[in-house]
Amino acid sequence: KQEVTQIPAALSVPEGENLVLNCSFTDSAIYNLQWFRQDPGKGLTSLLLIQSSQREQTSGRLNASLDKSSGRSTLYIAASQPGDSATYLCAVSYGGSQGNLIFGKGTKLSVKP
Amino acid sequence: NAGVTQTPKFQVLKTGQSMTLQCAQDMNHNSMYWYRQDPGMGLRLIYYSASEGTTDKGEVPNGYNVSRLNKREFSLRLESAAPSQTSVYFCASSEAPYEQYFGPGTRLTVT
Repeated sequence: KQEVTQIPAALSVPEGENLVLNCSFTDSAIYNLQWFRQDPGKGLTSLLLIQSSQREQTSGRLNASLDKSSGRSTLYIAASQPGDSATYLCAVSYGGSQGNLIFGKGTKLSVKP
Repeated sequence: NAGVTQTPKFQVLKTGQSMTLQCAQDMNHNSMYWYRQDPGMGLRLIYYSASEGTTDKGEVPNGYNVSRLNKREFSLRLESAAPSQTSVYFCASSEAPYEQYFGPGTRLTVT
């Protein structure tokens, strides 16, 4: 069964710290991987999309890396801020006309001022 | 450009009642999806539509029906609501298998 695991489930850090969120997937034949942010009671906001042929993608203070062969991705957040507090979700697609996403359960991040 | 919109935002139903959740996208995407999000379970696919006129079951389709009304709209119907269908429902669209865009969600409680 294709599964996505995110570790840790929750993380609390002081403001200004650099941090890494982890995502692993059981079937390495992914088409792409997407990182989302979800604020409490809100929808999902796409942060970064990495195609299977790419090793990393960057957007501002965020950097996502992909090691397809080992079934792992990391989301690096530099100089964390209280506004970064949210749940971060990792999801993979196996392509094709279906293209649906398989989600991890998320990492709840709290950045303390 | 509204992206993906969903109505209603909140709904409370009694067991056995029916309702339809509406979803529309203005990005001209071919593919649309319905997911549900439950505590401790993550998001799971209910149904998807790869193109106008086609629909297929996802991981958890029991108790639901869908209609792809046109390219813009994809509705989810609960014919006889059950407490197990209490959840947050998200609609998404994409030009599969590329980046997916999500709506704000519908929070449904079945009593």
